[in-house]
Amino acid sequence: GENVEQHPSTLSVQEGDSAVIKCTYSDSASNYFPWYKQELGKRPQLIIDIRSNVGEKKDQRIAVTLNKTAKHFSLHITETQPEDSAVYFCAAAGANNLFFGTGTRLTVIP
Amino acid sequence: DVKVTQSSRYLVKRTGEKVFLECVQDMDHENMFWYRQDPGLGLRLIYFSYDVKMKEKGDIPEGYSVSREKKERFSLILESASTNQTSMYLCASSLGSPTGGLNYGYTFGSGTRLTVV
Repeated sequence: GENVEQHPSTLSVQEGDSAVIKCTYSDSASNYFPWYKQELGKRPQLIIDIRSNVGEKKDQRIAVTLNKTAKHFSLHITETQPEDSAVYFCAAAGANNLFFGTGTRLTVIP
Repeated sequence: DVKVTQSSRYLVKRTGEKVFLECVQDMDHENMFWYRQDPGLGLRLIYFSYDVKMKEKGDIPEGYSVSREKKERFSLILESASTNQTSMYLCASSLGSPTGGLNYGYTFGSGTRLTVV
């Protein structure tokens, strides 16, 4: 089955700086890659996703890039704010379900 | 707005008890999932269902079973609870795809934090 690896496990940045989280996957048939944000004590929520026919997608301060040849995808957050502090999960779609990375705890220091 | 509701936010059960975790979604989603979330291990799939009365094992099904008698409800059952099943349990649902496969994101419930003592 699919194997998704996510790095780093923790990330601290100063407010206003950029943050980048990277994931790799193993199954070349995967064609859908969502990212989830989980604030403390809350449910994971979808923040952005990308499909395999697209190399990059942007939504305000958040962007995701996908390199299908290398089988890796990344989340980029620019101009970070304290409310961006959370755990972020990447995922890759298998035939019937998502396979998740182990999460990155992002801390934005005011 | 899609809602996925888990019946309990916190549960404390004794070792050996049979435990039922309930999940209901209100958007007619075909797919439903149960994950457990543990520190450092991320989200691990226990079972999923892509249709009523259908179920498939995920990565860690041992000690668990599921039931999906109606499209909107997916229940996780711990046949005989053990302390190593203490965890956060997350239910999720998603649309199916007319072409097969999964290419829509999940909507998660708020989670049930289960403690087995």
